[in-house]
Amino acid sequence: DQQVKQNSPSLSVQEGRISILNCDYTNSMFDYFLWYKKYPAEGPTFLISISSIKDKNEDGRFTVFLNKSAKHLSLHIVPSQPGDSAVYFCAANAGESYGKLTFGQGTILTVHP
Amino acid sequence: EAGVAQSPRYKIIEKRQSVAFWCNPISGHATLYWYQQILGQGPKLLIQFQNNGVVDDSQLPKDRFSAERLKGVDSTLKIQPAKLEDSAVYLCASSLTHPGDTQYFGPGTRLTVL
Repeated sequence: DQQVKQNSPSLSVQEGRISILNCDYTNSMFDYFLWYKKYPAEGPTFLISISSIKDKNEDGRFTVFLNKSAKHLSLHIVPSQPGDSAVYFCAANAGESYGKLTFGQGTILTVHP
Repeated sequence: EAGVAQSPRYKIIEKRQSVAFWCNPISGHATLYWYQQILGQGPKLLIQFQNNGVVDDSQLPKDRFSAERLKGVDSTLKIQPAKLEDSAVYLCASSLTHPGDTQYFGPGTRLTVL
């Protein structure tokens, strides 16, 4: 039972354009969502998060949007840079299991110069 | 500040053999996690420690996997005996005080079971 799904295995974008990575979840108890970025041979690195009481959180070039009614979140990267090429994981946490992250399968983002 | 350290980085073993992984979290981090990441999937939490106590091990296959965190600092994860399906990257992460704090991941140990 996959509670967090990233249905696009890969995404290819031109440098300077917008990258939009999507994530869907099924567990209505999830109340905190995170995006992690992973380069080859490294561990995931925290990127940005959003609480369920918000619908948008912005940090520089990265913005996360949360649509609770649709159980959907997305990560926008504007403008995309070649250094953003990595695997992006969406993760979710439920309040009563504080700290236990459930991850999606990941989306490979490639930004072409 | 030093990050989460893990060793070894790579390990190849035959099925039914035993293997152990070591993790040294960021200094001062009370919470430590072990994740298993199978190729093409996201990380899956195996066990979570708060200091040297287990908070959650509901997804740890306890018939073959064991983990300990003596003195609330370093941790070891052991598999005995290994199966082919245990081939994965084993990631260790730590967070500062509360389980909800940001988790910082180590580089992982890639295990191949032949």
